[in-house]
This record gives sequence, C-alpha cells and structure tokens, in this order.
Amino acid sequence: EAGVAQSPRYKIIEKRQSVAFWCNPISGHATLYWYQQILGQGPKLLIQFQNNGVVDDSQLPKDRFSAERLKGVDSTLKIQPAKLEDSAVYLCASSLGLKDYEQYFGPGTRLTVT
Amino acid sequence: AQSVTQPDIHITVSEGASLELRCNYSYGATPYLFWYVQSPGQGLQLLLKYFSGDTLVQGIKGFEAEFKRSQSSFNLRKPSVHWSDAAEYFCAVAPYNNNDMRFGAGTRLTVKP
Repeated sequence: EAGVAQSPRYKIIEKRQSVAFWCNPISGHATLYWYQQILGQGPKLLIQFQNNGVVDDSQLPKDRFSAERLKGVDSTLKIQPAKLEDSAVYLCASSLGLKDYEQYFGPGTRLTVT
Repeated sequence: AQSVTQPDIHITVSEGASLELRCNYSYGATPYLFWYVQSPGQGLQLLLKYFSGDTLVQGIKGFEAEFKRSQSSFNLRKPSVHWSDAAEYFCAVAPYNNNDMRFGAGTRLTVKP
C-alpha cells in the first residue's frame, strides 16, 4: 500500500513570496490533515478535511494560508505572502475517516523563508 | 486548558539499556492517548495507542506504554534500546469524540554505542 505522498520535500523562498504544497493521501482515506511543525515543537493541526469539506480550520491563519481538496482526494496548502515565522515542516496525514484515530503521515515539506 | 507535556527535551541512553519517556496530559476527561516516532526526514509513525481497557498497551518495535489515570500520565517504555531507536518521540492526545490530535513538544532520543 502506497503511503502519503508530499511534494516538494524542500522549498526555500523569500518573505512575501507565495508557495504551495501538495499532498496525496492513502487511497480510500476520507480524512486529510495538514500540520505545521516548527523546529523544536510538536505538530500543530492547521486544517482537517472530510472528503472535500472542511471539518476544522480553527488554527489556520486565514489571512495568508489557504487549503483545498476539491475532488476529495489530493490537497494543496498555500501560503501567500510568506513570513519568516512560517519556516517549518508541513506535514500531511490521512485516516480512513473522522472516527478513525490512526493517522498516517507523509514525509513532510521543509519550508525555509529567508 | 488542554495540554500535553513531555518534560524531557533530550534523553541519552546506552544501547541495551532500558528506556522510559514521560508524558503528562491535562484534559477535561480521559482522552485517547498515542505515541508517535519520527526519524530524521521522515513522517510520524504510530507506535501505540490507548483508548480504554488494559492500561498497559503493547506497540510496535518492542515498545509499551502504561496509562495511569491518577497521574494523568502515559509513559513509553522499552526494556532494551537498539541504536535504530534513535529518533524523536511524540506523545499525543485526542478527545474521545473527535480526532483533533494535540502533540507534545517531543523528546529526542540519542543512543550511545
């Protein structure tokens, strides 16, 4: 079974630029999560999708971050414009459904904002 | 406020020695509890989870964890550490009625030869 795929693995941008990350969850997984992991901290949930609908985006900085999962499969997370404090690893995870607590994580995208 | 605390930022153990990583939580009710491991450049992998029942749970790679309600703790243990266990370990909690998972800050494990 293929795992959660993410791209790119690394990205370096200047502040005020925009960036997008892509995630393809495990086939059949209805729930998809985006986490932000700042160096030295645990992952923090940014947004959670159930199929193509948003379940929870309470911790997403909506003035600069956006995410979509239009067809209920893969997802993109965008930052525009980026700030220095957005430097982090962005992790995507998926699970079978909302009641399934076992989340499978991708390798992450390491973003550096200079 | 809901919180997860991993008191040890970094632990070093010798290969073959026993290991215990601490995790304490503060939640309104007993949440579901998890331990994840993250190797460099990798995503998180679930080691074990506790929902209810037997308070000693077995996981993958020889790890186990014990839930102690009176201490609000869920410590991770391994009787004999291998060099390949060097990684970052995260404790996580989620309320029983949704999977909004909250992670601790992590404990980095170094294994000495």
